Amino acid sequence: EAQVTQNPRYLITVTGKKLTVTCSQNMNHEYMSWYRQDPGLGLRQIYYSMNVEVTDKGDVPEGYKVSRKEKRNFPLILESPSPNQTSLYFCASSSGRGELPSYEQYFGPGTRLTVT
Amino acid sequence: AQKITQTQPGMFVQEKEAVTLDCTYDTSDQSYGLFWYKQPSSGEMIFLIYQGSYDEQNATEGRYSLNFQKARKSANLVISASQLGDSAMYFCAMRESPYSGNTPLVFGKGTRLSVIA
Repeated sequence: EAQVTQNPRYLITVTGKKLTVTCSQNMNHEYMSWYRQDPGLGLRQIYYSMNVEVTDKGDVPEGYKVSRKEKRNFPLILESPSPNQTSLYFCASSSGRGELPSYEQYFGPGTRLTVT
Repeated sequence: AQKITQTQPGMFVQEKEAVTLDCTYDTSDQSYGLFWYKQPSSGEMIFLIYQGSYDEQNATEGRYSLNFQKARKSANLVISASQLGDSAMYFCAMRESPYSGNTPLVFGKGTRLSVIA
């Protein structure tokens, strides 16, 4: 089954304690992306990756890091989480080619993060 | 300027009735894709329907159809025969120029649909 998985699904942590949210896709997609969703603001892109070892900032990258060492994995790293990073996080992937199926982004189930 | 505008923060519809969720967009690209996603209270993002900018016919997927009016830059979602399970948040989104570089989905702020029995 084609899917994007994220772990953990729920996380409560304290300010300053480093954490990693994992994301993995089994569709051999080149393009992967992280979004955060906040009430009244919709979804905003944090970081994206066009392919292995190719990453770049989205609209709200401050306080986050990513890596893309393998095609299937795109972890989101919060080196020193703060309460304003409390949010719902989504990983998404799509084919990097310009064909019609690449228009669709497949979303993971989301990770609810609370930073106290 | 907002690229995706959803003007209805919340809507109610009677079960078995049809409902239209509004979406207008702003882009100067000729090639783009328009999407609707459903987000139930459990939080996952569920893809509903897609419309390409060059598609001449309106997209349909089961009870979902997209009323695409390119000149007006609108992409309204029509849900026919509403069901209680349709109660959720609905997001309109756009992806521009997928042939070049980073092409994130840009989302509207959503419309919360409540279906009444």
